[in-house]
Amino acid sequence: LAKTTQPISMDSYEGQEVNITCSHNNIATNDYITWYQQFPSQGPRFIIQGYKTKVTNEVASLFIPADRKSSTLSLPRVSLSDTAVYYCLPRYNQGGKLIFGQGTELSVKP
Amino acid sequence: DTAVSQTPKYLVTQMGNDKSIKCEQNLGHDTMYWYKQDSKKFLKIMFSYNNKELIINETVPNRFSPKSPDKAHLNLHINSLELGDSAVYFCASSQRTGTRSYNEQFFGPGTRLTVL
Repeated sequence: LAKTTQPISMDSYEGQEVNITCSHNNIATNDYITWYQQFPSQGPRFIIQGYKTKVTNEVASLFIPADRKSSTLSLPRVSLSDTAVYYCLPRYNQGGKLIFGQGTELSVKP
Repeated sequence: DTAVSQTPKYLVTQMGNDKSIKCEQNLGHDTMYWYKQDSKKFLKIMFSYNNKELIINETVPNRFSPKSPDKAHLNLHINSLELGDSAVYFCASSQRTGTRSYNEQFFGPGTRLTVL
């Protein structure tokens, strides 16, 4: 059964590094794992996507092990404005399903 | 210019009514989606169209019918609305590249549907 699993919530303080791990078994071998950020009353917004190993952009890094059964979003030096819900989105082999994780609510405190 | 727009932003209606939500994207993308987000923030894909052709049709009641008149538009029509249809509905778009089917998706602002 395809299921995407993330922690429900995480707390952090300003300036810390935050790592959010998502588990996803049996995902499609030829597609990206994508992460999104959502603020209240807004649509999700793309953060980063990767296929394997490590990807880095101006806001985050994404680590994907060789077996692609999980992925870890890394936010360096978070600020209060990073308080949001973070979702991972892989595509599964079963019928090519796109299944969002349940979202990780990150709370950054001063 | 808004990349992905939805109308209306809010929709309050009675059970049993029929309503539509419209979506337009001006990004030139070839793939569009409808998602439902419930009160617990779960995001679930409902439909996806690629070049006006239905490619994902998840297990949703057949009261929900998507229509794509062209690549830039994907509308959602809902018949006989029920209390459980209350949710936020998001439209999104993306562009297929090579073997990577589902690239970065751009989401609209959402339509909050309340069924009384």
